[in-house]
Amino acid sequence: SQTIHQWPATLVQPVGSPLSLECTVEGTSNPNLYWYRQAAGRGLQLLFYSIGIDQISSEVPQNLSASRPQDRQFILSSKKLLLSDSGFYLCAWSGDGTWEQFFGPGTRLTVL
Amino acid sequence: RKEVEQDPGPFNVPEGATVAFNCTYSNSASQSFFWYRQDCRKEPKLLMSVYSSGNEDGRFTAQLNRASQYISLLIRDSKLSDSATYLCVVNTFGNEKLTFGTGTRLTIIP
Repeated sequence: SQTIHQWPATLVQPVGSPLSLECTVEGTSNPNLYWYRQAAGRGLQLLFYSIGIDQISSEVPQNLSASRPQDRQFILSSKKLLLSDSGFYLCAWSGDGTWEQFFGPGTRLTVL
Repeated sequence: RKEVEQDPGPFNVPEGATVAFNCTYSNSASQSFFWYRQDCRKEPKLLMSVYSSGNEDGRFTAQLNRASQYISLLIRDSKLSDSATYLCVVNTFGNEKLTFGTGTRLTIIP
């Protein structure tokens, strides 16, 4: 069966510090991968999605970037965090040709 | 107009009651529809897909009305454990992305 992992679970970072969040998927190959952010009391905002290695689409221009160095690994990064980057970051995957997405447990980021 | 619109609630419903949520979508090319459930401070989890003919999974029934572009979710005999936020989700044909509604918050009262 497929599983999706995210780490860390919780992160507190100062403004201006870098960020690296990692997501890995097991039990499937060539998944579509997604990064979302959910601000407190708000809906899901799609940040990036990837249909293959080194194929990244950005949905919202901001100080975040994403990379997919391996088939089942998706990384969200920032060089300098802003206060507005605080939120719940969720990674998700979907199978090739299917549209249901399955989410990881998320990373709760607080920028101080 | 938002792509997916839901009544944010909150819906406060006594245990054992039946509750229904509606969701409307704006893109008539939408092809796939889902309901997700999100517990407080947790990730969304797929509750059920919504098929054209309607489908049922235990106490949960989902309906799709393409002509009016809305989706519904009916929960019968509600349990305390049904308390959560329910997200309406839509996919457009040929698009790898899903569009999420902002969710309807449900609280089941003992």
